[in-house]
Amino acid sequence: RKEVEQDPGPFNVPEGATVAFNCTYSNSASQSFFWYRQDCRKEPKLLMSVYSSGNEDGRFTAQLNRASQYISLLIRDSKLSDSATYLCAVVPGQNFVFGPGTRLSVLP
Amino acid sequence: EAQVTQNPRYLITVTGKKLTVTCSQNMNHEYMSWYRQDPGLGLRQIYYSMNVEVTDKGDVPEGYKVSRKEKRNFPLILESPSPNQTSLYFCASRIGRYENEQFFGPGTRLTVL
Repeated sequence: RKEVEQDPGPFNVPEGATVAFNCTYSNSASQSFFWYRQDCRKEPKLLMSVYSSGNEDGRFTAQLNRASQYISLLIRDSKLSDSATYLCAVVPGQNFVFGPGTRLSVLP
Repeated sequence: EAQVTQNPRYLITVTGKKLTVTCSQNMNHEYMSWYRQDPGLGLRQIYYSMNVEVTDKGDVPEGYKVSRKEKRNFPLILESPSPNQTSLYFCASRIGRYENEQFFGPGTRLTVL
């Protein structure tokens, strides 16, 4: 089993839709969790950290479920500009472990 | 402007010809890493450095070398490149070992023929 897994997609959704991504991790010692956004093979950029209590940033909501060892990202009211690949990252020690990414295409 | 720079951005080379990809950051970050990204495999860490003269292997170090003689620079060296090292490479830095945000360089697309 891979250390961090994501559904590769692609997720094709219409503008305005709500879409959710999950990311599962195998190392129960993981302490920090993040979502990164990557556009068209450019560098990944931090979208948001994921806190135990869940957190929200505008249209984006991140959740952590330690018992089931997964994190989620919910995007509400999708925009065309949300089209990208979303990478989850977990930190079991001092190094980041990234998932393979989920590709999202928001269609007009 | 705070940034991580990499050079070259694109490189096509032949098997066995030594090459170096440079990485530099201007944020006085202690922690730097090299990743490679391949379709379906995501970002995999090659090497990392926690400070000057302190480097360690990541998940896929075979065929690569690094050095950290100065805080700002962290070059990636391929002594004898092979076609399976064809990939997209990213350098990244962050303030310290446990800091949240990593800043990535723009990437280097390497093709080894």
